[in-house]
Amino acid sequence: NAGVTQTPKFQVLKTGQSMTLQCAQDMNHNSMYWYRQDPGMGLRLIYYSASEGTTDKGEVPNGYNVSRLNKREFSLRLESAAPSQTSVYFCASSEGGRQKGETQYFGPGTRLLVL
Amino acid sequence: DAKTTQPPSMDCAEGRAANLPCNHSTISGNEYVYWYRQIHSQGPQYIIHGLKNNETNEMASLIITEDRKSSTLILPHATLRDTAVYYCIVRARIYNAGNMLTFGGGTRLMVKP
Repeated sequence: NAGVTQTPKFQVLKTGQSMTLQCAQDMNHNSMYWYRQDPGMGLRLIYYSASEGTTDKGEVPNGYNVSRLNKREFSLRLESAAPSQTSVYFCASSEGGRQKGETQYFGPGTRLLVL
Repeated sequence: DAKTTQPPSMDCAEGRAANLPCNHSTISGNEYVYWYRQIHSQGPQYIIHGLKNNETNEMASLIITEDRKSSTLILPHATLRDTAVYYCIVRARIYNAGNMLTFGGGTRLMVKP
């Protein structure tokens, strides 16, 4: 049981390049999330998927798109990378649905540098 | 979700109990208190959560005051590996599309030998 996995671990892009960050979970969770964390800051929610087939904007969605490919996988795409998108990106998942409490499990992160 | 206030940093001697406070004076009746931590360069890790009763698991204990306006996370025997940023978060019990975790600044705990 690997939990939440993310690829790649590190990436360097030039301004204007595009890339897709991959995330997968093997816990049969319904909900998945993408966060970014800038140096010395807390996490900010970019997009989330409450269940397979749905996606919604979080706090900082501009410049990003997402795809909930299936129940396991949730990808984050940067169509035209900008230096302001230099950050560490974390994917998370949770069981979802109406239940007591809602614990999120996080992946190891992808460190992205945009030059 | 209610706002939380935590001290920016704390020190603790190895082997001693680490007591991390959190104020959440605007918490409402349907909001849980969650604690996560983030060890340097890793993804956040869930520690514990509670509604109004004290909770304990293999990692920590959570003490919530009777009026629920503050709580304390207790690491009973801190080790060097517990050095991390600890986040206190409050969020509603009922899951819905807007019910996401909001991470603030947290408390940077330094466990010293």
